[in-house]
Amino acid sequence: ETGVTQSPTHLIKTRGQQVTLRCSSQSGHNTVSWYQQALGQGPQFIFQYYREEENGRGNFPPRFSGLQFPNYSSELNVNALELDDSALYLCASSLISGDGTQYFGPGTRLLVL
Amino acid sequence: TQLLEQSPQFLSIQEGENLTVYCNSSSVFSSLQWYRQEPGEGPVLLVTVVTGGEVKKLKRLTFQFGDARKDSSLHITAAQPGDTGLYLCAGRLMKTSYDKVIFGPGTSLSVIP
Repeated sequence: ETGVTQSPTHLIKTRGQQVTLRCSSQSGHNTVSWYQQALGQGPQFIFQYYREEENGRGNFPPRFSGLQFPNYSSELNVNALELDDSALYLCASSLISGDGTQYFGPGTRLLVL
Repeated sequence: TQLLEQSPQFLSIQEGENLTVYCNSSSVFSSLQWYRQEPGEGPVLLVTVVTGGEVKKLKRLTFQFGDARKDSSLHITAAQPGDTGLYLCAGRLMKTSYDKVIFGPGTSLSVIP
């Protein structure tokens, strides 16, 4: 059973640029959720994908968008980067019919200068 | 707005001491998870509790889910330096259109040798 993987591990961008983060779900999981975690805080829910469609969304602007592919891997895209977007971005996979348990990847640390 | 609170926010104790971390909400959860996170890494699942009043033990860690499924506690016996990290609770909300999980802000634990 393979765990959740994310790439890249670290990324530095400048304001106004666009970024794509990638996630490979745990084998057998059909749901992926993305979180933003600022330093010293708990993860904040961005959105969730199930069956290649956005299944739920947190309080994030439209410049945060995503995709889920048939193999359940996923992408998080952020346009027009702002300084406050600097954070650890976490991907978590789960089963839609499960007990809510999510399995997290190691995260991508994004720094916006 | 659904909120999950954790207390204390920070905890620094000597090796061998006992401690309890609390997770509280006004929302009812269908399940609740506890995670441990080290700096720059993704959260690692410790336990999932599902039934009100449920108690689960994981070596020196004891987890309890409140009878009303609105709160939970994590008790660590004889803390060790390896227990150092950020402890996060996460609750899966009931009666939502998607698999919505909210996180608390975390309790940062430091165990001093």
